[in-house]
Amino acid sequence: RKEVEQDPGPFNVPEGATVAFNCTYSNSASQSFFWYRQDCRKEPKLLMSVYSSGNEDGRFTAQLNRASQYISLLIRDSKLSDSATYLCVVSAISSGSARQLTFGSGTQLTVLP
Amino acid sequence: GAVVSQHPSWVICKSGTSVKIECRSLDFQATTMFWYRQFPKQSLMLMATSNEGSKATYEQGVEKDKFLINHASLTLSTLTVTSAHPEDSSFYICSAGEPGTGAYNEQFFGPGTRLTVL
Repeated sequence: RKEVEQDPGPFNVPEGATVAFNCTYSNSASQSFFWYRQDCRKEPKLLMSVYSSGNEDGRFTAQLNRASQYISLLIRDSKLSDSATYLCVVSAISSGSARQLTFGSGTQLTVLP
Repeated sequence: GAVVSQHPSWVICKSGTSVKIECRSLDFQATTMFWYRQFPKQSLMLMATSNEGSKATYEQGVEKDKFLINHASLTLSTLTVTSAHPEDSSFYICSAGEPGTGAYNEQFFGPGTRLTVL
C-alpha cells in the first residue's frame, strides 16, 4: 500500500466549475500536511498547508481528518491557470531531526475553456 | 520565499559517464537537503537525505555507490550519478527546508535537472 494515495485523474472540468481532490495517508505519525502544485516539467510549488481546523485561501479550501487519515482540496470557480498536477504531501520527522516529505502520485487537473 | 538553485537544468550524456548535479540554497543555510527523482507521470520519490558534514541517508533501493552525495557546506549539496545508464534518465529535484524543525516549516525546491542518458 502506498503511503500517500490519490486518485490520479485526469479531471477535466469547464472553467468556473468546482472540483474536489481527495487523499489518504497511511502513516499515523504524520505531523503536517500540504497540497503542492506541479506544472509540466517544473518543480513542485507549495499551494497551501493543511491544518486540523481546515483552512481556506481564496478559491482553495483544504480539510484534514486525522481520525480517518484523509485530506481534501476543493477548488472553486476553476480558472484555466489552475490546470496542473496537484500533489498531496505529508511530513514526519525522519532519522535525526530532518523533516521528510512523502508525496502522493498526484491528481491531474485540466480546466477547459 | 527562499531560493534553491540547481545546475545544470538539463544534461544529456553517454552511457557510462558520470554526471554531477549541484543544489544550492541561495539566501539561507541548509544543514539538510533532500534529493528526489521523478519519472514521467510518476510522483517524486525521495532518494536520499543529504546532511552537512556527515554521510547521506539513502532510501531503500537507492544505491549509495551509484548516487554519490556530498554536502560540503551549508549552502551546497551535490549529487553525482556515476556510470549513468539509460534507466537513470529522470528528473532530479533537490529541496531544502527552512531552518528549524517546525511542523509547517516550508521546504523549497530547486527547479530540477532533467538527465537524459543515451
